[in-house]
Amino acid sequence: EPEVTQTPSHQVTQMGQEVILRCVPISNHLYFYWYRQILGQKVEFLVSFYNNEISEKSEIFDDQFSVERPDGSNFTLKIRSTKLEDSAMYFCAWGLAGAGGQFFGPGTRLTVL
Amino acid sequence: QQQVKQSPQSLIVQKGGISIINCAYENTAFDYFPWYQQFPGKGPALLIAIRPDVSEKKEGRFTISFNKSAKQFSLHIMDSQPGDSATYFCAALNQAGTALIFGKGTTLSVSS
Repeated sequence: EPEVTQTPSHQVTQMGQEVILRCVPISNHLYFYWYRQILGQKVEFLVSFYNNEISEKSEIFDDQFSVERPDGSNFTLKIRSTKLEDSAMYFCAWGLAGAGGQFFGPGTRLTVL
Repeated sequence: QQQVKQSPQSLIVQKGGISIINCAYENTAFDYFPWYQQFPGKGPALLIAIRPDVSEKKEGRFTISFNKSAKQFSLHIMDSQPGDSATYFCAALNQAGTALIFGKGTTLSVSS
């Protein structure tokens, strides 16, 4: 049973539209991460978030991406203007100590048409 | 330097056999090496992990062997079962401890 839930499970959007993917931790985790996985490919790191700040981001995480924890519980990934190549599974993950195991949520499948 | 190379890309093993998946890394600053198991349509699930101060870690039928000097580590699945059929990813935690770098994955099929 994953300790984070992700909504929606599947999001279909038109190119150029904004999408917000949500991750809801079940217990009080400190470290959060977003990863993506294009169909059939490896899992790629996007961003890590600790204490309400971005601690690291990858080259993929450009200006069209943003993360926040607006209400202290939900952890969101926003893609401002989606592109076809943003179609992927997006996974939220959490960690306890920032170094070591990261535990993945069930993912949101994003389809950009 | 940030890559983790994984092989083979796919693997077919008979039920009861041993499945072996190999990974290699370049960055000696990596200090945590997990393996993840992923079933279709699901998120990666942490299976077993090792730090470079030990050469082997065993949990049930799953064993990680770690060779620090060669910068290689491998996953061994003993007595492989059809339920083990999944994609397996090795990974390494980056120097800052903030991001996992994944290998490309190995699709394992265990025939019954």
